[in-house]
Amino acid sequence: DVKVTQSSRYLVKRTGEKVFLECVQDMDHENMFWYRQDPGLGLRLIYFSYDVKMKEKGDIPEGYSVSREKKERFSLILESASTNQTSMYLCASSSRLTPYEQYFGPGTRLTVT
Amino acid sequence: KQEVTQIPAALSVPEGENLVLNCSFTDSAIYNLQWFRQDPGKGLTSLLLIQSSQREQTSGRLNASLDKSSGRSTLYIAASQPGDSATYLCAVKDTDKLIFGTGTRLQVFP
Repeated sequence: DVKVTQSSRYLVKRTGEKVFLECVQDMDHENMFWYRQDPGLGLRLIYFSYDVKMKEKGDIPEGYSVSREKKERFSLILESASTNQTSMYLCASSSRLTPYEQYFGPGTRLTVT
Repeated sequence: KQEVTQIPAALSVPEGENLVLNCSFTDSAIYNLQWFRQDPGKGLTSLLLIQSSQREQTSGRLNASLDKSSGRSTLYIAASQPGDSATYLCAVKDTDKLIFGTGTRLQVFP
């Protein structure tokens, strides 16, 4: 079974802090994705990556950056957390052969106070 | 720009009912459409995927249909059970991205 894990289920940070959200997948998938999920807005794509050291902006990249130094790990970075970044963050991965078949992690609920 | 809408936003039904969840999309040029299930505080689990050339897919008590020309998909759940309670999301593949609807929150009570 594909397994996508995220470093924290719940996280509380203060405004202005630098925040790292980690995602690891164990299926050697080339593609990895970061989404945020907000009530009434659904899932919105923040960044995605097709390969190590490659990244592409999604629909809402402002205020975020990403890092993909190893194939299995994709990190989302909030350089200076703000209250409007309070959200549920979901990581997903997929194979290059079946890119539409995304496997999701359990999510990290981030609260910025 | 592709937009995906799901109606209703929430649904509460007694156990045993057959029910239909709706998904509509504005641009019919999609590669495929997926239905996901999300339990509270959890990630998404893929239920069914319909390729753009297909009309429907079935898995157990679930049946998903796709009508590209009208920009609609339905998820039919037969003989609903309390364990079906969750949020159901549809997503269309638009070139290299998935575009998600906002979901239908389903509550099946005994």
